[in-house]
Order: sequence, then C-alpha cells, then structure tokens
Amino acid sequence: NAGVTQTPKFQVLKTGQSMTLQCAQDMNHNSMYWYRQDPGMGLRLIYYSASEGTTDKGEVPNGYNVSRLNKREFSLRLESAAPSQTSVYFCASSGHLTDTQYFGPGTRLTVL
Amino acid sequence: AQKITQTQPGMFVQEKEAVTLDCTYDTSDQSYGLFWYKQPSSGEMIFLIYQGSYDEQNATEGRYSLNFQKARKSANLVISASQPGDSAMYFCAMREGFGNEKLTFGTGTRLTIIP
Repeated sequence: NAGVTQTPKFQVLKTGQSMTLQCAQDMNHNSMYWYRQDPGMGLRLIYYSASEGTTDKGEVPNGYNVSRLNKREFSLRLESAAPSQTSVYFCASSGHLTDTQYFGPGTRLTVL
Repeated sequence: AQKITQTQPGMFVQEKEAVTLDCTYDTSDQSYGLFWYKQPSSGEMIFLIYQGSYDEQNATEGRYSLNFQKARKSANLVISASQPGDSAMYFCAMREGFGNEKLTFGTGTRLTIIP
C-alpha cells in the first residue's frame, strides 16, 4: 500500500516548456487534489476532483490544467511554464470531500 | 483577514518538554474541520490530528492533542514529551462548510527540539 505517489520528484524547466506531473493513489479514494507550496505561504489549492470524471478550480488555477484519468490517477499539466510556477507541488487524496486529505511526497519544480 | 493564523514562525523546545503550537481561525460557518499536518525536512506532509466543529471532546492521537476552544476560535496543537523526531514544520488547516473541498493552510511553525 503505497498511499499517494507522485512523479517526478524533481524537475527543471525552461520558460515556455510544458510538462505533466503525475499522481496516483491506491487507497480507493474518490477525491483528489493538487496544491502548490511557496515559501512563507503554506499550501494553496490549484485544482481538485471530487470524483472520477469531475474537476474544479481551486484558489490558484491560472496556468494549469488537470485530468482525472481514472479513479486512481490525477495529473497536472503546465502548458507553458513560467518562473512564477517555481514551487513544490503536492497531490493529495481523500475518501470524500469532507474527509482527511493524505498527501504525496511532492514534486520540486524549478522554472528558469 | 487571514483564515488561519499561526503566530509562531519558529520555536525551540528542550527534549521531553511539552510544546504548544498556536493556531487561530476565522470562519462564519457553523460546520468546519481543523487539521494539523507535520512536514519534516524530507518534505512530505503527514496528517496528525483532526477536530470537527461539533466535536465536544478535544481530539487526541498518541502524543498529539488538539486544544479546541471554539469561543476563542483557537485550535492549538499540543505535543507531549517532545522528541528530536518532532523537529519539523507544523501546519494548521481548516475546511469550512460541509462538502467543501478546500483546505486553507496557515503559514506554519518551525519546531526545533533541542536534545
């Protein structure tokens, strides 16, 4: 039982490049989330998926897209990376929207 | 106004002492949940403890307890008998309303346990 896994762990991009961050959970959870963590700001919600087939914007969605591929997997895509997107990205999942969220190990992304 | 306020950017505590990490929150909802997460230097976010707004008893999980004072809108984390492994960033978070997906996080407190 791995919980929530994320790939890659680290990534360096040049401005304008695109990439997809992958997230998978094996806890049979319905809801999945993407957060970013910036120094001194805690975590902020980018997008979430309440259940398979649905996605919704969070607090800071601009510059990102998501795909809920199936119940297990939820990906985050940066179409044209900007230095302001340099951050640590966390994926999380929960049984339902009101349940405790469990986090993956994070992806450290640097955009030059 | 900040939804979650953690006023202690950093704390140093002697090993084996108890430590209280402060968290105050701001919401007009009657139904909400309060969470504490630990983030060690390795970077992962570890769930510690949860308190629902309607829970009458303070939540406890092993050495962790949540001192919930609803009228004061505070949800302080208490760690008993601190250990070096408790050194980490600690985040307080709140979910407002029912069926609401959004967790709002505080800016965290960095706790250092002195052996």
